[in-house]
Amino acid sequence: EPEVTQTPSHQVTQMGQEVILRCVPISNHLYFYWYRQILGQKVEFLVSFYNNEISEKSEIFDDQFSVERPDGSNFTLKIRSTKLEDSAMYFCASSRDRGMNEQYFGPGTRLTVT
Amino acid sequence: DQQVKQNSPSLSVQEGRISILNCDYTNSMFDYFLWYKKYPAEGPTFLISISSIKDKNEDGRFTVFLNKSAKHLSLHIVPSQPGDSAVYFCAASANPRPDKLIFGTGTRLQVFP
Repeated sequence: EPEVTQTPSHQVTQMGQEVILRCVPISNHLYFYWYRQILGQKVEFLVSFYNNEISEKSEIFDDQFSVERPDGSNFTLKIRSTKLEDSAMYFCASSRDRGMNEQYFGPGTRLTVT
Repeated sequence: DQQVKQNSPSLSVQEGRISILNCDYTNSMFDYFLWYKKYPAEGPTFLISISSIKDKNEDGRFTVFLNKSAKHLSLHIVPSQPGDSAVYFCAASANPRPDKLIFGTGTRLQVFP
């Protein structure tokens, strides 16, 4: 069964450093998403991406964040200058269509900012 | 942001019995609802969904009920199995912002023998 994969599973970085989180969405999916879950809190939407551009983003997704689909399979989330409060689980998701269509999630990357 | 609420943080059910997980929402623009299951150190796994034009959707042991007037949905698992023990999240999306899933806080289900 096809699945979303994410690397690395755990990333530790120092405050102020740049990190890139990687995702390989399900191959025939066209819509891609990033969510995060801070420990003890809800899963929160960050951004959605379609046809090589951002289709929607939340207020969390500020200028420190960017997304890219550098090739036909990878989808990345970059945090330019990490802060302590960026420590969270980051989940990538993909869906075949938009809207009333289930999003399939990857296993997540645990980001720890020290 | 309390648009989607799961008021029971935990639920304990005996194997073979019915598990009922509840979810309330406040945004009347929500038109699509989903349930996800999550094990520790894994991502949410899609279980079942329902659009606002229906009031029930069934898939095997899982049934989701939607009561639009009460802004309430529930997930029924019958019969419950020990492997169902996990955290269950409800999520919702709304037009004209269909990409964004709004999640509840989750209910931890424990199914005991």
